[in-house]
Amino acid sequence: SQTIHQWPATLVQPVGSPLSLECTVEGTSNPNLYWYRQAAGRGLQLLFYSVGIGQISSEVPQNLSASRPQDRQFILSSKKLLLSDSGFYLCAWSVKNTEAFFGQGTRLTVV
Amino acid sequence: DQQVKQNSPSLSVQEGRISILNCDYTNSMFDYFLWYKKYPAEGPTFLISISSIKDKNEDGRFTVFLNKSAKHLSLHIVPSQPGDSAVYFCAAIGSNYQLIWGAGTKLIIKP
Repeated sequence: SQTIHQWPATLVQPVGSPLSLECTVEGTSNPNLYWYRQAAGRGLQLLFYSVGIGQISSEVPQNLSASRPQDRQFILSSKKLLLSDSGFYLCAWSVKNTEAFFGQGTRLTVV
Repeated sequence: DQQVKQNSPSLSVQEGRISILNCDYTNSMFDYFLWYKKYPAEGPTFLISISSIKDKNEDGRFTVFLNKSAKHLSLHIVPSQPGDSAVYFCAAIGSNYQLIWGAGTKLIIKP
């Protein structure tokens, strides 16, 4: 069966510090991978998606970047965090044109 | 411009009654729709989906209805249970396999 791991679950980081959130998927090959952010009281905002190794599409210009060094690994990064980067970050995977399955999320607080 | 809209931020329903969650979309090219359920500080979990070639899909207590002419879909939960209290997201699959999300509706089941 397929599983998705996302870590850490919570993170408190000072403004200006770097960020690295990691997501790995098991039990499937060549999945589509996604990073979403949920801001308080709002829906899910797609940040990045990837259809293959090294292929990253960015949906919104921002202080974040994503990388996919391996087929089932997706990393969300920032060189210098801003206060506005605080939020709930979700990794997800899907196989082509089907439903997506989500990790448990990371609560990021930038202080 | 929101392509998927959930106009009710919250909904309160008595336990045992029917919960009806609504979703409207603007893009007639969407051909696959999904409903997700989300508890606080967790990732969304997939509930049920419907293809545009159908007008109804049923899975246990959950039924999704699609009205293509009205660009409207709804999720019915019968009977509603306390554990159904959560935020429900409607989503459509757009180009490049991206999920286009509504803002969510918070469902509260009253005992």
